Amino acid sequence: AQRVTQPEKLLSVFKGAPVELKCNYSYSGSPELFWYVQYSRQRLQLLLRHISRESIKGFTADLNKGETSFHLKKPFAQEEDSAMYYCALSRNNNDMRFGAGTRLTVKP
Amino acid sequence: GAVVSQHPSRVICKSGTSVKIECRSLDFQATTMFWYRQFPKKSLMLMATSNEGSKATYEQGVEKDKFLINHASLTLSTLTVTSAHPEDSSFYICSASKLSGESLDEQYFGPGTRLTVT
Repeated sequence: AQRVTQPEKLLSVFKGAPVELKCNYSYSGSPELFWYVQYSRQRLQLLLRHISRESIKGFTADLNKGETSFHLKKPFAQEEDSAMYYCALSRNNNDMRFGAGTRLTVKP
Repeated sequence: GAVVSQHPSRVICKSGTSVKIECRSLDFQATTMFWYRQFPKKSLMLMATSNEGSKATYEQGVEKDKFLINHASLTLSTLTVTSAHPEDSSFYICSASKLSGESLDEQYFGPGTRLTVT
């Protein structure tokens, strides 16, 4: 069965500090991992996916199959990064399984 | 980017009545639409996957007779909560996607519908 774990419900950092949102998964096949973001009063939107290997808004995430992790990182957090972040796993973008989410607050 | 709309954004209904929620892809043809439910302070839970012109595939534990899904066209899917009860009160979110080669493209999410059953 697919499972996604985000161990931190809340994460608070100061502006300019590095931030890492943790995500661990369990899946027997080859997973596709995603990070979704939901800003206040906005809809859920895709932030990045591991297969594209790109950096969006300064965020990166590396798939570590050995540790079954897909942590989201940013070297210097900005106040506008404050949002709810969801890690998700799927096969071919189908049957998406979401983690519980981490609320990131970036303080000035 | 692609836009997905949901209607209504909020609905309050009495226990025992049925409520229909619409999900539309506004600028692309969605071969597949997904319906999620989000409980307070919890994550999104996939309820069902619907492909245009075929029956929806429901996740384990989701009552197909209670949550009727119709995907009649490539731009519209509807979720009908039948004989609603207060425990059905929740935030319902749809997403839409289209085939890109042999796999599905990115899922685009609707803004969600807040259902309150009194």
